[in-house]
Amino acid sequence: EIVLTQSPGTLSLSPGERATLSCRASQSVSSSYLAWYQQKPGQAPRLLIYGASTRATGIPDRFSGSGSGTDFTLTISRLEPEDFAVYYCQQYGSSPLFTFGPGTKVDIK
Amino acid sequence: EVQLVESGGGLVQPGGSLRLSCAASGFTISDHYMDWVRQAPGKGLEWVGRTRNKANSYTIEYAASVKGRFTISRADSKNSLYLQMNSLKTEDTAVYYCVRGERWLQPPRLDYWGQGTLVTVSS
Repeated sequence: EIVLTQSPGTLSLSPGERATLSCRASQSVSSSYLAWYQQKPGQAPRLLIYGASTRATGIPDRFSGSGSGTDFTLTISRLEPEDFAVYYCQQYGSSPLFTFGPGTKVDIK
Repeated sequence: EVQLVESGGGLVQPGGSLRLSCAASGFTISDHYMDWVRQAPGKGLEWVGRTRNKANSYTIEYAASVKGRFTISRADSKNSLYLQMNSLKTEDTAVYYCVRGERWLQPPRLDYWGQGTLVTVSS
């Protein structure tokens, strides 16, 4: 089973700043199989990025994904007030089909 | 507009059973793989299982933690997804999300999520 590790656990930033979130896999992951989700308190997760770098429908272009192999990054170019949330990376594989990282919380400094 | 609405959650004793339903609208589930994902209170996300579509023989896969206890089914004619949960354990306590997966041959992703239904397993 591929294990995903996210860092940092918490990122404290101010609106307008750039956020860089890391996701590291215990084994190589196909770029096609890496996704990122955003979850706000009391809400369901929302798909942001799939295929490591493709934005989902309706996702603003301040969100971007990159990476390959075992290291992937989600970047928020300029934080808006609504971007403060928990972010999860996820990989698709086999047994289990989907695994999620533990999440990075982006909170207001 | 894509919508997924779960129902059927509640309080159940350990060893008991519960059946969750998910009503989909705004798309046809027969075109998509469909998943269940859960989230224990204050914890992260855990994938529960997936049902593929008719083109892929409705094959189903489960997480090891629920295999043999949970059963996923779908009724394409009703545009609905179900999760039958038996032999429930306290560690099954979570919000259960119904999630739309990709179409066949598309990159795997979980692109629309319901609001979730809370299942509490406690005596």
